[in-house]
Amino acid sequence: KNEVEQSPQNLTAQEGEFITINCSYSVGISALHWLQQHPGGGIVSLFMLSSGKKKHGRLIATINIQEKHSSLHITASHPRDSAVYICAVRETSGSRLTFGEGTQLTVNP
Amino acid sequence: NAGVTQTPKFQVLKTGQSMTLQCAQDMNHNSMYWYRQDPGMGLRLIYYSASEGTTDKGEVPNGYNVSRLNKREFSLRLESAAPSQTSVYFCASSVRELRSPLHFGNGTRLTVT
Repeated sequence: KNEVEQSPQNLTAQEGEFITINCSYSVGISALHWLQQHPGGGIVSLFMLSSGKKKHGRLIATINIQEKHSSLHITASHPRDSAVYICAVRETSGSRLTFGEGTQLTVNP
Repeated sequence: NAGVTQTPKFQVLKTGQSMTLQCAQDMNHNSMYWYRQDPGMGLRLIYYSASEGTTDKGEVPNGYNVSRLNKREFSLRLESAAPSQTSVYFCASSVRELRSPLHFGNGTRLTVT
């Protein structure tokens, strides 16, 4: 079992829909990252959080440390949101990030 | 600011050939990392440098060497390429070791035949 599990693996939505991508992990962590990988391959950091909730534009990230779970929400989705979204955790006891396999999101016009 | 610059973007090698992937950042970051990305797997850490003058092995270091040339530059060397090293390689940097967001280069697509 991977230490970081994302669901769903693939998600197709219509423009304007509210989207949720989930990340569950099995280890104690000090921080969780959400990343976006564009179709061209470039990777951008969206959020780094260790508790609660963060918001940036139409993106919202939440984390529940007790339940070892994080969600990434996209409101009013747009075709330009089509990308792979990657969750990564920094273990409390470690010095590296463990990455999920990513969620491929496609938003159709 | 250019951010994190990786070169080359694409490379094809024959088994046994050597090459160096270059990475430079202009954000005055202390920590730099090399990852590889393979289909069906998450990004995996090859080597990292927490600060200038230090380097440490990551999850998959075999077959690779690194040099933290100065605070800006962190290179990855394949001494004798193998088909198993066919992958997309990403360099990244952060202000402090994993305590700040990562900034990634655009990746190098390497094929070893």
